[in-house]
Amino acid sequence: DSGVTQTPKHLITATGQRVTLRCSPRSGDLSVYWYQQSLDQGLQFLIQYYNGEERAKGNILERFSAQQFPDLHSELNLSSLELGDSALYFCASSAGQVPTDTQYFGPGTRLTVL
Amino acid sequence: AQKVTQAQTEISVVEKEDVTLDCVYETRDTTYYLFWYKQPPSGELVFLIRRNSFDEQNEISGRYSWNFQKSTSSFNFTITASQVVDSAVYFCALSVGSNYQLIWGAGTKLIIKP
Repeated sequence: DSGVTQTPKHLITATGQRVTLRCSPRSGDLSVYWYQQSLDQGLQFLIQYYNGEERAKGNILERFSAQQFPDLHSELNLSSLELGDSALYFCASSAGQVPTDTQYFGPGTRLTVL
Repeated sequence: AQKVTQAQTEISVVEKEDVTLDCVYETRDTTYYLFWYKQPPSGELVFLIRRNSFDEQNEISGRYSWNFQKSTSSFNFTITASQVVDSAVYFCALSVGSNYQLIWGAGTKLIIKP
């Protein structure tokens, strides 16, 4: 158990809908990272927050947004969902703001868009 | 530019055999970190090791060992006396200070047959 929690574990929804994925980092960690893992594209970095502020942005679509709250938990919002958004979404946390810190991953949320 | 290559897409061995997973990286930075993660069939990403570029000592943890060679830009992972529970996808990743995100290899799927 990495100490990172993600909810829900599974999510099935329809195209055009909006969903919110939630992540709680390990105790003491200030950074939260979001990744998307699809079968054909491997692990794709989406976005990083450090202590409530956006720190780095990767290949995140405009339909996707995220935030980190004062209690350090984070939410990833996915809207106008398409079939291609079906994937495993991971949250990871680390102590500091640099990617050289070890990232500990949550169990993931498996999103299926029908 | 930075890059991580895991040339072995899939490896299949019989239980109790030793197996080595290759990881070759590219970076011009002199300070960098290398990581290995394991993704079992259940889907979670499990951190295995973090190594910085100034520490070329090999690491051993039980049946797992890592061989870091800067001369060949490789950070290979060996499992000794493999077990069925070692079956997973293994990812190698690189982090440098000049890049805000982890650079991931494509992963090697390891199948251990009983």
